[in-house]
Amino acid sequence: AQSVTQLDSHVSVSEGTPVLLRCNYSSSYSPSLFWYVQHPNKGLQLLLKYTSAATLVKGINGFEAEFKKSETSFHLTKPSAHMSDAAEYFCVVSDPPYDKVIFGPGTSLSVIP
Amino acid sequence: GAVVSQHPSWVICKSGTSVKIECRSLDFQATTMFWYRQFPKQSLMLMATSNEGSKATYEQGVEKDKFLINHASLTLSTLTVTSAHPEDSSFYICSALLGGRALSTDTQYFGPGTRLTVL
Repeated sequence: AQSVTQLDSHVSVSEGTPVLLRCNYSSSYSPSLFWYVQHPNKGLQLLLKYTSAATLVKGINGFEAEFKKSETSFHLTKPSAHMSDAAEYFCVVSDPPYDKVIFGPGTSLSVIP
Repeated sequence: GAVVSQHPSWVICKSGTSVKIECRSLDFQATTMFWYRQFPKQSLMLMATSNEGSKATYEQGVEKDKFLINHASLTLSTLTVTSAHPEDSSFYICSALLGGRALSTDTQYFGPGTRLTVL
């Protein structure tokens, strides 16, 4: 069965410091993995996705994530946080055979000036 | 491109009334749209898959007679919450896939959501 865990419900970083948002998944197959960001009063936006190509995936706004099968992880990172990065982040896992997606519980990122 | 809108953005209604929420793909055609529900401080739960020209597919535990979905055109899906009750209060979000692609591998384009409050 599919499942996804986001280990931190809230992360707070100072502007200009690195961001790490953790995601672990459970899947019976080779999953597709996504990170979405949700800003208040805006629709969710795709940051990046992994669909069995390169394990290091680069996304928009300087974010990237690395697929580690041995650790069943897909952590999201950014070298330097910006105030505009403050938002809710969702890790999403999907198994192609089932064509379903499961959203993680979300991580709220705060950026301190 | 790939913009999805929802209307209304928020609605307050009395218990027992019905509320319709519209989801539109503004600059692309979407044969498949999805409806999610998001409780405060929680994640998104897929409610149903809306297929243009056919019946919606509901997730387990979602009452199809309670949450009526109609996908009458390639750019419009509607969710009607019938006989709404306070426990139906939530944030409802729709999404759309470009063309007829697969949910599991392709990007969903999300609407901004509709906040429903039932008094």
